[in-house]
Amino acid sequence: AQSVTQLDSQVPVFEEAPVELRCNYSSSVSVYLFWYVQYPNQGLQLLLKYLSGSTLVESINGFEAEFNKSQTSFHLRKPSVHISDTAEYFCAVSTTGYKLSFGAGTTVTVRA
Amino acid sequence: DAGITQSPRYKITETGRQVTLMCHQTWSHSYMFWYRQDLGHGLRLIYYSAAADITDKGEVPDGYVVSRSKTENFPLTLESATRSQTSVYFCASSVDITDYNSPLHFGNGTRLTVT
Repeated sequence: AQSVTQLDSQVPVFEEAPVELRCNYSSSVSVYLFWYVQYPNQGLQLLLKYLSGSTLVESINGFEAEFNKSQTSFHLRKPSVHISDTAEYFCAVSTTGYKLSFGAGTTVTVRA
Repeated sequence: DAGITQSPRYKITETGRQVTLMCHQTWSHSYMFWYRQDLGHGLRLIYYSAAADITDKGEVPDGYVVSRSKTENFPLTLESATRSQTSVYFCASSVDITDYNSPLHFGNGTRLTVT
């Protein structure tokens, strides 16, 4: 079985500052890794995912995450956040290709 | 409209009552899932289905029942609601999440309160 640990439950950050959300996983087999974002009163939306190939993956709105196999991590970063990035972010892992296990989530609050 | 629809959006029920949460998707996705979201726990898988008439337990299935007689519908029933089942419930669907163009799609959730 796999598990996901998000190391920070709350991350306050000022607008235009960088942010890093930490995610570690445990699994005895190869994994697929995901970051999802949830805006208030909405369902989750896929932000980015690592399936194979390049360990650095990027989203269309400036986020990036790097798969580090030796450290079993998939940290999410953005060099400059906007107010609109205020949301809850979930890291998730899958070994099956269809069933995901989610972390507890990190709430990012961006302040002006 | 195409997509995944959950109903009702909000529901208040009493302890011991049976309640059914509905989920409908228009994509004919093979896989469907029910998650519950609780503070500090993230999303936990309740049940999932790989196809019509094929369902399986997830991480927290106790107290829940599912069915999938049609590909597009995946209702979740709480047979005798308890206060511990107060939560936000999300339905999701996918074809194959290893396909770059096929992420897991979520509904907007049902907020259930058991009094």
